[in-house]
Amino acid sequence: KAGVTQTPRYLIKTRGQQVTLSCSPISGHRSVSWYQQTPGQGLQFLFEYFSETQRNKGNFPGRFSGRQFSNSRSEMNVSTLELGDSALYLCASTRGGSSYNEQFFGPGTRLTVL
Amino acid sequence: QKEVEQNSGPLSVPEGAIASLNCTYSDRGSQSFFWYRQYSGKSPELIMFIYSNGDKEDGRFTAQLNKASQYVSLLIRDSQPSDSATYLCAVTTSGTYKYIFGTGTRLKVLA
Repeated sequence: KAGVTQTPRYLIKTRGQQVTLSCSPISGHRSVSWYQQTPGQGLQFLFEYFSETQRNKGNFPGRFSGRQFSNSRSEMNVSTLELGDSALYLCASTRGGSSYNEQFFGPGTRLTVL
Repeated sequence: QKEVEQNSGPLSVPEGAIASLNCTYSDRGSQSFFWYRQYSGKSPELIMFIYSNGDKEDGRFTAQLNKASQYVSLLIRDSQPSDSATYLCAVTTSGTYKYIFGTGTRLKVLA
């Protein structure tokens, strides 16, 4: 069974640009969560989607947005990039129907903002 | 008070020893508890989960849950240098479907 995949794996952008990251969950998983990880802040929750609906949201500005498609694939978008957005962006998937479900992470997209 | 707290470490143990990693949580409604291992530059990897009070063993790993005291522990027996990583504790609460992570404990196993 294939794991969670994320594309691209690495990205370099400049301030003010926007970026779109993609995540494909494990087959059969309907929930996708996004996290930002930086050395100083640890793993910060961005948002979670289940059946194309945003079910949970973290405390990030509106520049961070996401969506989920009918095949459970998800994208997140960051507009007007700032230097502080440089981080490892992780996607994780679960079956989604229960808070007992195990959550599995993709390899991440490392974003560098210059 | 943070929702999920872990000592950042580093926790240094000699090879072959037992490493004990601890995590406390603030929400008494928490119902699922997960331990992840994260190597430097890599994504977190799920190694254990526990739902009920008591111990759960999987190979060299044992997860311990005490809901009355609101803590969950991970014991690693016969620690190996390859166990050197950051260990993240995550907690979910009924009905929220949101995984709350601690900041992780860095473990160093000394050869």
